[in-house]
Amino acid sequence: EPEVTQTPSHQVTQMGQEVILRCVPISNHLYFYWYRQILGQKVEFLVSFYNNEISEKSEIFDDQFSVERPDGSNFTLKIRSTKLEDSAMYFCASSDGWGGEQYFGPGTRLTVT
Amino acid sequence: DQQVKQNSPSLSVQEGRISILNCDYTNSMFDYFLWYKKYPAEGPTFLISISSIKDKNEDGRFTVFLNKSAKHLSLHIVPSQPGDSAVYFCAASPNYGGSQGNLIFGKGTKLSVKP
Repeated sequence: EPEVTQTPSHQVTQMGQEVILRCVPISNHLYFYWYRQILGQKVEFLVSFYNNEISEKSEIFDDQFSVERPDGSNFTLKIRSTKLEDSAMYFCASSDGWGGEQYFGPGTRLTVT
Repeated sequence: DQQVKQNSPSLSVQEGRISILNCDYTNSMFDYFLWYKKYPAEGPTFLISISSIKDKNEDGRFTVFLNKSAKHLSLHIVPSQPGDSAVYFCAASPNYGGSQGNLIFGKGTKLSVKP
C-alpha cells in the first residue's frame, strides 16, 4: 500500500540553525501539506501546496518557513532560523484532491536546543 | 479558538462493546469531516469521512454520524477491539469541493479498549 514517508525521523538542532524536513508524498497525489503538533497540543495546519506553489498558509507559517518541491518526488519544509518554540512533530500529508482524505507520514520530531 | 472540540480527553471501553467518540464544531462553513486514528510515534491514519450532505457513513466496524443542526458528529466503533486503542482525532475541512484543503483538528480522545 502506498504511503507517505518522511526523513529524518528525529532532528536535533541548535537555535538559529536552518533545518530541512523531507517528505515523499504518495506518487499519484497532487496536493501536499505540512502540519505540526507541539507536544500536548492539537495538530495544526501550516501550509498547502499545489501545482508548484503555495495554495494556503496559516499564521504560523511566517517568513522563517518555506516549502519546495525540488523534483518529482520530494516535498520539503525549510525553517531558516529555528527557535525553541519550533520544537514539535512535523507531519507531511498528501491527497489526490482538495477536501478529500489526506494521508499522513510518520512525522519528524524536531528538537531545537 | 477551538473550532473543533473533542471534550473527552479519554474513553475506556470493554472489548466487544461499542465505543462512541464525540466531536463538536462551531464553524458552519465546515462541510467535510474526517476521523483519524493515531498511535504513538506514528502519523495520523485516515479512518472514515463524511460530507455535510449525509448524516451517516459506515465502513465496517466504523460509523460516523453527523448532526448538522447541532454541529455535532460522532464515531461509533462496534465491536471494539484492543487494537483500536489509540488517540482519535476529529478533523474538519471548510467548503469541500472549493476549499484549500487544510484540515482543522480537535485535540483528540484517547481510547483504551480493555480485554
